Amino acid sequence: QKEVEQDPGPLSVPEGAIVSLNCTYSNSAFQYFMWYRQYSRKGPELLMYTYSSGNKEDGRFTAQVDKSSKYISLFIRDSQPSDSATYLCAMSAAAGGSYIPTFGRGTSLIVHP
Amino acid sequence: NAGVTQTPKFQVLKTGQSMTLQCAQDMNHEYMSWYRQDPGMGLRLIHYSVGAGITDQGEVPNGYNVSRSTTEDFPLRLLSAAPSQTSVYFCASSLRENTGELFFGEGSRLTVL
Repeated sequence: QKEVEQDPGPLSVPEGAIVSLNCTYSNSAFQYFMWYRQYSRKGPELLMYTYSSGNKEDGRFTAQVDKSSKYISLFIRDSQPSDSATYLCAMSAAAGGSYIPTFGRGTSLIVHP
Repeated sequence: NAGVTQTPKFQVLKTGQSMTLQCAQDMNHEYMSWYRQDPGMGLRLIHYSVGAGITDQGEVPNGYNVSRSTTEDFPLRLLSAAPSQTSVYFCASSLRENTGELFFGEGSRLTVL
């Protein structure tokens, strides 16, 4: 079992839908949780970053962390075709001070007009 | 600022050839790393560096060498390319004291025949 599990999709939704993307993990030492967005043939870019449990909101995006369940989510409200991309979750814990992140395999999201 | 710059963007090699993928960042980041991304496998860490003169192995280091003589540059060397090294390679950097928030390059697509 990988440390971080993420359904690869694809997840196809109509424009305007609320999208829920999720990851589960097994390492209870993870403290930092991130979501990256990767457009086709581009490098990943950091979308959301949270520490420990709780919610964080940024515009149409909300990141949620439930450490008791080892489960993180990214919600996208009023989804747009421009949100079509692969979303990778990542998480990290202190490891000799280098905080090396572990990535999920990514979920492909398609928002159709 | 250019951020993280990778060259070349595309490369085709024959089995047994050697080459170097270049990575440079202008953000004065201490931490740099190399990932490969394959379909269904997500991002896998090859090598990383926490500062000039310091490198360490990641999850899939075999067949790759790195060095870090300056803060800005972190080249990845393939000494004898194999078809299994056909992949998309990403360089990423972050502030050492940061917590896994990585800045990625645009990627280098390598095909080994």
